[in-house]
Amino acid sequence: DADVTQTPRNRITKTGKRIMLECSQTKGHDRMYWYRQDPGLGLQLIYYSFDVKDINKGEISDGYSVSRQAQAKFSLSLESAIPNQTALYFCATSDPHSNQPQHFGDGTRLSIL
Amino acid sequence: QQQVKQSPQSLIVQKGGISIINCAYENTAFDYFPWYQQFPGKGPALLIAIRPDVSEKKEGRFTISFNKSAKQFSLHIMDSQPGDSATYFCAASISSGTYKYIFGTGTRLKVLA
Repeated sequence: DADVTQTPRNRITKTGKRIMLECSQTKGHDRMYWYRQDPGLGLQLIYYSFDVKDINKGEISDGYSVSRQAQAKFSLSLESAIPNQTALYFCATSDPHSNQPQHFGDGTRLSIL
Repeated sequence: QQQVKQSPQSLIVQKGGISIINCAYENTAFDYFPWYQQFPGKGPALLIAIRPDVSEKKEGRFTISFNKSAKQFSLHIMDSQPGDSATYFCAASISSGTYKYIFGTGTRLKVLA
């Protein structure tokens, strides 16, 4: 089983719809991250969470919200999806206490029509 | 100051050749520099990482060269193989505090058989 699992893997939806992307991890890491990947732009940080009670905005948080339901679960919501939010979305985890790098899930491909 | 500039955007190498990807940064507070490898349909996976107290790190066919004074680091793939064809991302972070990654824009490598 994958250490970082993202659901769904693919989603096509319409403008204005509310979308939730989910991430769960079995690595026991405290820190979780949501990134967006666009061609030619690399990965941009949307939100990150250091524990259940600590949520922080990243570089491109406008139009997104997150929820850290438990140490192992971190979900990303698009309240009212728009076409320029079409992208690949990745969840990642890290354990700063052991200086481990970030570990990524396999992503969700989101298309907004 | 938070940017990490990566070049080239794409690279084609013959099998057995050397692939070289370069990254440059401005923020001298960065102290952890990972390289990630990403195959289509998969999330980025850590390939190799370096800290600024060493000038070179080698793992198999992959080597990171680090030039602290020039604020540059590069990935060298020796004896490149078709299986190395992937997108490569450099990143930089500060170990203390937020440990956020700043990613380069990626290099799409194609190794010809």
